[in-house]
Amino acid sequence: AQKITQTQPGMFVQEKEAVTLDCTYDTSDQSYGLFWYKQPSSGEMIFLIYQGSYDEQNATEGRYSLNFQKARKSANLVISASQLGDSAMYFCAMREGLGNEKLTFGTGTRLTIIP
Amino acid sequence: GAVVSQHPSRVICKSGTSVKIECRSLDFQATTMFWYRQFPKKSLMLMATSNEGSKATYEQGVEKDKFLINHASLTLSTLTVTSAHPEDSSFYICSALRLDGKNIQYFGAGTRLSVL
Repeated sequence: AQKITQTQPGMFVQEKEAVTLDCTYDTSDQSYGLFWYKQPSSGEMIFLIYQGSYDEQNATEGRYSLNFQKARKSANLVISASQLGDSAMYFCAMREGLGNEKLTFGTGTRLTIIP
Repeated sequence: GAVVSQHPSRVICKSGTSVKIECRSLDFQATTMFWYRQFPKKSLMLMATSNEGSKATYEQGVEKDKFLINHASLTLSTLTVTSAHPEDSSFYICSALRLDGKNIQYFGAGTRLSVL
């Protein structure tokens, strides 16, 4: 089974609209972390947001928020008021278990913002 | 965020030569760094975990004699692709682990290797 599933290979969104990128995960560990990274065409991976499995509140970082639904094992990224510069690949990733720092990445979603 | 520098950003070399890629954490010390490979339109594949002062840990299927990793200081890890062949052409990207509770990996800008 896939550890991280991103079901949207591509999305087109009008500028200034909000967008939700889906991510579901599969783990039997109680302790895990969920991450979102943005990869523009330049190739660098930019850290956006982190959610720990024990965090009770959804993480927020500026225009980014993580809709964490533990029972459904989903960690969707919400980008408010999208901008042209948000066009990029977005990867969801998970770190599972205590003492393990390796990340497992999803296949990514290519987001295109339309002016 | 944190700053991780990766150099060079692009390298073109002849088949049979070796190529060294550097990964530096500029504003924090990183006892652990990671090296990934990314094929076109694909996700990141972990190659190895680089540990300062000890041998790297390689993922299954990654040739350690082909991809030499040295983590000689708390801010520098290097990946050397030895005797490169065209099939080694790829995008290589490193990350440095910042141990602050959240333990986030911060990535370099990547290196595009083309072997002729």
